[in-house]
Amino acid sequence: QKEVEQDPGPLSVPEGAIVSLNCTYSNSAFQYFMWYRQYSRKGPELLMYTYSSGNKEDGRFTAQVDKSSKYISLFIRDSQPSDSATYLCASLYGNNRLAFGKGNQVVVIP
Amino acid sequence: EAQVTQNPRYLITVTGKKLTVTCSQNMNHEYMSWYRQDPGLGLRQIYYSMNVEVTDKGDVPEGYKVSRKEKRNFPLILESPSPNQTSLYFCASSPSGQAYEQYFGPGTRLTVT
Repeated sequence: QKEVEQDPGPLSVPEGAIVSLNCTYSNSAFQYFMWYRQYSRKGPELLMYTYSSGNKEDGRFTAQVDKSSKYISLFIRDSQPSDSATYLCASLYGNNRLAFGKGNQVVVIP
Repeated sequence: EAQVTQNPRYLITVTGKKLTVTCSQNMNHEYMSWYRQDPGLGLRQIYYSMNVEVTDKGDVPEGYKVSRKEKRNFPLILESPSPNQTSLYFCASSPSGQAYEQYFGPGTRLTVT
């Protein structure tokens, strides 16, 4: 199995709020977990990746993986209008292949 | 500048007319891949290549062909396009052993009428 599930509902938050995005995955063999950001009319770009369980922080962004519950999270602190984009979770499986969630559109309102 | 380029960026064509979308990367990456992105379905992998002359099917390979004769190029060929292949296509590449770090091209919006 290679599914990564992401509730694709849009999310609107006021500037400065914390954005919380979540995904679940089904295959316990998944080891690498990624978050990609995609601006309108652009290709996805890698934000962060984590290996196995734990947290990883990069500036205002924190990625979290809980392998016991098969849960992937991304938190954006002090959100800015420039964070308005679609965020895609993904996991690496099999022969170096990526399974993507459907994406969450985030709008940060000034 | 390190990048993945795709051409054309926009294409409108008719059913059955063969077309090729080119993809090129200047980062000496071994791994290259094609995806299509559709509303409600997300990104789905069409084909991928671990290295020159090595290609494999992804999740939705039907109706597509690829070739990898050179490391930098990975063209996507639609021999007989159909309307259900109307989509946004992305090419991506990554260094060997780091497929989690994929660099995506700007996308090609294809419409088949």
